[in-house]
Amino acid sequence: AQSVTQLDSQVPVFEEAPVELRCNYSSSVSVYLFWYVQYPNQGLQLLLKYLSGSTLVKGINGFEAEFNKSQTSFHLRKPSVHISDTAEYFCAVSGGGYQKVTFGIGTKLQVIP
Amino acid sequence: EAGVAQSPRYKIIEKRQSVAFWCNPISGHATLYWYQQILGQGPKLLIQFQNNGVVDDSQLPKDRFSAERLKGVDSTLKIQPAKLEDSAVYLCASSLDPGASYGYTFGSGTRLTVV
Repeated sequence: AQSVTQLDSQVPVFEEAPVELRCNYSSSVSVYLFWYVQYPNQGLQLLLKYLSGSTLVKGINGFEAEFNKSQTSFHLRKPSVHISDTAEYFCAVSGGGYQKVTFGIGTKLQVIP
Repeated sequence: EAGVAQSPRYKIIEKRQSVAFWCNPISGHATLYWYQQILGQGPKLLIQFQNNGVVDDSQLPKDRFSAERLKGVDSTLKIQPAKLEDSAVYLCASSLDPGASYGYTFGSGTRLTVV
């Protein structure tokens, strides 16, 4: 069975400050890891994904995440946030093949002007 | 490329009534998913189709929920009869492959309110 834990339900941060949204996963098989963003009243949009290879993954909108197998983490980072980054962010894990993608409960990022 | 289309965007019904949601995935995406997102929670998979066959419906409340994907394209999710706890956003997503290694493409969702 696979699961995802997002350690922070809400993260307030001032505009232009750096941010890290934390995600830990558990899986008994190899993993694919994802971060999605959800703006109000919209569906989820893929930010970035880790399938294999380099542990540092770069995504859209200046976000990046680092896969750490020993710590079973996949934290999302951005060096300088903008007001438009205010949204909810979901970490997700899949074992590939026909295994379903399991989502975390989400982290609300609130960027303060 | 057209995105995943869902309708309606909003629906309000009374408990014990029935409701249906429609989804049209991205052309060529063989895998289609229905997720339920209750306020304050992450999306929960209800059912996964590969073409017109069901891959995973282990979390679908089959006494009241049903879904079909005729001809491996459009899909319909139905609830009958609805309960108050079914109030949620119902998200449809599609992907090129069943493992979603390319990621999902989500529709905008249908917000269901059961009163």
